[in-house]
Amino acid sequence: SQQGEEDPQALSIQEGENATMNCSYKTSINNLQWYRQNSGRGLVHLILIRSNEREKHSGRLRVTLDTSKKSSSLLITASRAADTASYFCATGKIIFGKGTRLHILP
Amino acid sequence: DVKVTQSSRYLVKRTGEKVFLECVQDMDHENMFWYRQDPGLGLRLIYFSYDVKMKEKGDIPEGYSVSREKKERFSLILESASTNQTSMYLCASSLGITGHLIQPQHFGDGTRLSIL
Repeated sequence: SQQGEEDPQALSIQEGENATMNCSYKTSINNLQWYRQNSGRGLVHLILIRSNEREKHSGRLRVTLDTSKKSSSLLITASRAADTASYFCATGKIIFGKGTRLHILP
Repeated sequence: DVKVTQSSRYLVKRTGEKVFLECVQDMDHENMFWYRQDPGLGLRLIYFSYDVKMKEKGDIPEGYSVSREKKERFSLILESASTNQTSMYLCASSLGITGHLIQPQHFGDGTRLSIL
């Protein structure tokens, strides 16, 4: 399967801490995207990183990409309760992983 | 902002019925997609369309068909609904592919379909 796989499947942290999620994939890619899904809603695009980029920032989000290891990580700094959601990586031609469920504890 | 609207948030149908799920986007996007989302399985692509009257099968097209008569509307059809099609269905749209760059997708809020 070309599907990206997120790790861990679930993560609970205290508000204010940093949250790190990882994505591994199997085939060569041109870009990788991260999405967030709040409970009962559709997915929202967070950030896109191209294969020739190693790191990208957007607000409290930091994404890294290591094409040699076929992996990416999403770091959310200073987490907030509103960050509680599922996070998905998407690679190649519209292929989503199964997601990481992030729960921020007050 | 792009808006992708799915006609129903919740839908209950009976086995054997023909079911139509409608999706409309307002940003003149070329691509439109239908996914289903099930616990433990993530998002799986059913069909996508890259132009009016064009369609391609995704990973799990069996039991489904699609229609794209106008650029802004993409319909998913369950020809004869079965209980294993009970799921959350998500529609998305995106700009056309530029070179090899897959454009970000914009999602609707989903239709939770129950087949009894």
